[in-house]
Amino acid sequence: GAVVSQHPSRVICKSGTSVKIECRSLDFQATTMFWYRQFPKQSLMLMATSNEGSKATYEQGVEKDKFLINHASLTLSTLTVTSAHPEDSSFYICSAREGRVNFGANVLTFGAGSRLTVL
Amino acid sequence: AQSVTQLDSQVPVFEEAPVELRCNYSSSVSVYLFWYVQYPNQGLQLLLKYLSGSTLVKGINGFEAEFNKSQTSFHLRKPSVHISDTAEYFCAAEGSNTGKLIFGQGTTLQVKP
Repeated sequence: GAVVSQHPSRVICKSGTSVKIECRSLDFQATTMFWYRQFPKQSLMLMATSNEGSKATYEQGVEKDKFLINHASLTLSTLTVTSAHPEDSSFYICSAREGRVNFGANVLTFGAGSRLTVL
Repeated sequence: AQSVTQLDSQVPVFEEAPVELRCNYSSSVSVYLFWYVQYPNQGLQLLLKYLSGSTLVKGINGFEAEFNKSQTSFHLRKPSVHISDTAEYFCAAEGSNTGKLIFGQGTTLQVKP
């Protein structure tokens, strides 16, 4: 079945530094990937939709300059948390879908998540 | 836009008892509905999905859910739970015109011996 890989699974960084998280679709091409953020014991909040070859679409309230998303190829999307602060500490999860976004409700495949801790 | 409400934040149940986790949705367009399970510090695993057709859908690990359009519900059920079913369960809806998957608040299923 479809597999989505996220790297790193855990990262600790100092306040003010930037951190990049990678999301790869291993055995399929993903024209669209989604990035979610999950606080402890809370639900997943959609941050942005990452479209291959174009700018990401951010949800209301998400700072696009803080969370830079790049979808450079059909198998890779990256999320960069710039100038990270302790409040950015969270569990970040990506998901990907094979094929077109609205086509047949192809099920999203989720990565295992990346836990970011900002000191 | 769509929204998802999970009515119970925590559901404690004894092993081998039946369980129902409740989910209601609202949407101005047709939606696809999903249930996911998340074990601690892990990603999401799809339990089952409703796209169209039969309103009773069966998933993995003995779970099933019933789509009720009139009540805008998609409750998850299992006739007999195991200790290993202890996890966080998320109901989610995807708008047929957006492709975005929106999650409910989650329900913690606690199976006691």
